[in-house]
Amino acid sequence: LAKTTQPISMDSYEGQEVNITCSHNNIATNDYITWYQQFPSQGPRFIIQGYKTKVTNEVASLFIPADRKSSTLSLPRVSLSDTAVYYCLVGDGPDSSYKLIFGSGTRLLVRP
Amino acid sequence: NAGVTQTPKFRVLKTGQSMTLLCAQDMNHEYMYWYRQDPGMGLRLIHYSVGEGTTAKGEVPDGYNVSRLKKQNFLLGLESAAPSQTSVYFCASRPTSGSSYNEQFFGPGTRLTVL
Repeated sequence: LAKTTQPISMDSYEGQEVNITCSHNNIATNDYITWYQQFPSQGPRFIIQGYKTKVTNEVASLFIPADRKSSTLSLPRVSLSDTAVYYCLVGDGPDSSYKLIFGSGTRLLVRP
Repeated sequence: NAGVTQTPKFRVLKTGQSMTLLCAQDMNHEYMYWYRQDPGMGLRLIHYSVGEGTTAKGEVPDGYNVSRLKKQNFLLGLESAAPSQTSVYFCASRPTSGSSYNEQFFGPGTRLTVL
């Protein structure tokens, strides 16, 4: 399974756009890129998933360049409630036996 | 629709004791997973199952056993607990079709302390 590298922590202010970039140089052809959010004392929650180009849902956007060696999670106009740990994962395809490997994640702190 | 539930929520064991953690899901999902999360760390995959009667090892399987006798349940067993197994344990399930394909749904976690 491809390993991912993402910043350990990020700070932002309410109302700003936050972009968290993840590096996955060894991503396999069948791998998807998935982002999860985790609040303290809770299980992770799915945010968004993509394979290539751009994916957008009601919560976030995911940008994936053509070589797929990195991806960027974009959170528009963050609020205090977006303070959480964000995990970037690759895998979940047949070549990875449908497993996901979590890294250490990015701790996002949103300040008033 | 309860989603993914875990029993118990908290447990304290002494070294050498055994216990079983129960994960149940009512979404008819094929795949189920057990993770552990140590303080300040990401989740690590212990074991997983791609269907009833099947199990497979994840990243950190040593010291744990699992069983998937029924599709809706995934049990995690500790035969002889060690302090190094003090952690929060999360169970997850995922479907193999539909709009939520590839999305893992997590339970609330079980906080285990081994003294």
